[in-house]
Amino acid sequence: DAMVIQNPRYQVTQFGKPVTLSCSQTLNHNVMYWYQQKSSQAPKLLFHYYDKDFNNEADTPDNFQSRRPNTSFCFLDIRSPGLGDAAMYLCATSDGGREETQYFGPGTRLLVL
Amino acid sequence: QKEVEQDPGPLSVPEGAIVSLNCTYSNSAFQYFMWYRQYSRKGPELLMYTYSSGNKEDGRFTAQVDKSSKYISLFIRDSQPSDSATYLCAMKTRSQGNLIFGKGTKLSVKP
Repeated sequence: DAMVIQNPRYQVTQFGKPVTLSCSQTLNHNVMYWYQQKSSQAPKLLFHYYDKDFNNEADTPDNFQSRRPNTSFCFLDIRSPGLGDAAMYLCATSDGGREETQYFGPGTRLLVL
Repeated sequence: QKEVEQDPGPLSVPEGAIVSLNCTYSNSAFQYFMWYRQYSRKGPELLMYTYSSGNKEDGRFTAQVDKSSKYISLFIRDSQPSDSATYLCAMKTRSQGNLIFGKGTKLSVKP
């Protein structure tokens, strides 16, 4: 089945220790998104790639970086995680068309100790 | 005023009830409207998608869009305990790629 896969599902890291979350897709979609979702809040868009074009949201902290080495994979790097970065991180994809329905992965829950 | 407003609930109903979930929005340029269902500790799952105004039905689910009132609804008929989840509305303009989400309404259907 075509899908969006995120690894790991749960990640525990220490304060200040870099962490990388990964996302892969078999949908062959042009666009990949990273969202941060805290408890009882709406998903907050961090950035997205349209093919290789990177688009950063204005309020995304510099602590968050992303890489997209190919169509299928996208990574979220948190350079120095703080306690406030503990959240669910959601990857989504879309085909970039006018309708641009987004399909989400299961998420990675990050805990910062 | 936030772009999208959604009552967070929680909303608790007995099994078999009709559920009504709603969002209001302020940006008249929104044209694409979606409802996502999110189970606890899982990613959002696309439930319904509507373009512009009108109704769309899929099984027990009906999505309604009233652009004149800037109001969208999701109705769930014959609700089941398995419908217990958080329901997020989301919307976008024709030109803007990003989805704007509501905060989500947490629904609990009691057997």
